[in-house]
Amino acid sequence: SQTIHQWPATLVQPVGSPLSLECTVEGTSNPNLYWYRQAAGRGLQLLFYSVGIGQISSEVPQNLSASRPQDRQFILSSKKLLLSDSGFYLCAWTDGNNEQFFGPGTRLTVL
Amino acid sequence: RKEVEQDPGPFNVPEGATVAFNCTYSNSASQSFFWYRQDCRKEPKLLMSVYSSGNEDGRFTAQLNRASQYISLLIRDSKLSDSATYLCVVTPNSGQNFVFGPGTRLSVLP
Repeated sequence: SQTIHQWPATLVQPVGSPLSLECTVEGTSNPNLYWYRQAAGRGLQLLFYSVGIGQISSEVPQNLSASRPQDRQFILSSKKLLLSDSGFYLCAWTDGNNEQFFGPGTRLTVL
Repeated sequence: RKEVEQDPGPFNVPEGATVAFNCTYSNSASQSFFWYRQDCRKEPKLLMSVYSSGNEDGRFTAQLNRASQYISLLIRDSKLSDSATYLCVVTPNSGQNFVFGPGTRLSVLP
């Protein structure tokens, strides 16, 4: 069966510090991968999606970037965090039926 | 107009009640539709896909009206464990851009 991992589970970072969140998927090959952010009390905002290694599509211009160095690895990064980057970051993958499955998420607080 | 809109909620219902959630979408080219539930401070989990003919899974029934660009979710005999936020999700044929609605919060009360 397929599983999706994200780490860390929680993170507290100062403004201006860098960020690296990692997501890995097991049990499937060549998945579509997604990064979402959910601000407190808000809906999910799609940040990036990837249909293959090295292929990244950005949905919202901002100070975040994403990379897919391996088929089942998706990384979200920032060189300098802003206060507005606080939120719940979710990684997801889709199966052949277009159904999305989410990782447990990383709760980021920028102080 | 937002791409996906949902009943603002919250819905507070007694156990055993029937509750219906509505969702509208603006992109007429949308092809796939889903309902997810999200518990507080947890990741969203797929509840059910929504098919053109409508579909039922136990106490849950989903309907799609393409002409009106409208999706619904009906929950019968509500349980305390149904308390969550229900998210409507729409995607175009490419399946690469999933658009989530803001969610409708449900509280089932004893």
